[in-house]
Amino acid sequence: DGGITQSPKYLFRKEGQNVTLSCEQNLNHDAMYWYRQDPGQGLRLIYYSQIVNDFQKGDIAEGYSVSREKKESFPLTVTSAQKNPTAFYLCASRTGRLANTEAFFGQGTRLTVV
Amino acid sequence: AQKVTQAQTEISVVEKEDVTLDCVYETRDTTYYLFWYKQPPSGELVFLIRRNSFDEQNEISGRYSWNFQKSTSSFNFTITASQVVDSAVYFCALSVAINFGNEKLTFGTGTRLTIIP
Repeated sequence: DGGITQSPKYLFRKEGQNVTLSCEQNLNHDAMYWYRQDPGQGLRLIYYSQIVNDFQKGDIAEGYSVSREKKESFPLTVTSAQKNPTAFYLCASRTGRLANTEAFFGQGTRLTVV
Repeated sequence: AQKVTQAQTEISVVEKEDVTLDCVYETRDTTYYLFWYKQPPSGELVFLIRRNSFDEQNEISGRYSWNFQKSTSSFNFTITASQVVDSAVYFCALSVAINFGNEKLTFGTGTRLTIIP
């Protein structure tokens, strides 16, 4: 079945460690997104990519990095520079470069700093 | 800049009651798109509806209906005869083309809906 797969579902990070969240899609979508969800704050955009080998900072990019080497994959690295990384992370994709298309979401990764 | 406001943080209603979730948006663009998503406890956001700025027709889909009013910049969502399965967090979102290739989807803070059996 077509869709977006995020892994792992739960992730624990020690202080000072970098961790990478995986996002893979088989929908043949050009655009991919990473959102962070905190209680009471909705979804905030971290990074997005409209095409392979290109990506743009979102509203809260500090402490995060991404790559887009393949159309299907858009991994997110949470670096030690991110001071408050505990949150629920959602990956999404959209077809084409059109504002009228809906985004499809993965099931999310819950990251906890221990 | 774009902004979406969902003033209702949490709503609880008894099963079979009707409930309306409010969404107010801000944008200077004349062409834009509005969306509603449902986030069940599993975490994945599920697309419910899309509406473009040129189409103010209300829409009904089963127990769900949407009221789009450009005059008040609102895109409200009503669930009729609510059911326990409707319990979820609901997000309203706005999409505009900042420039070609840089479309952004802006979300509201969500409304947590609890249907009490």
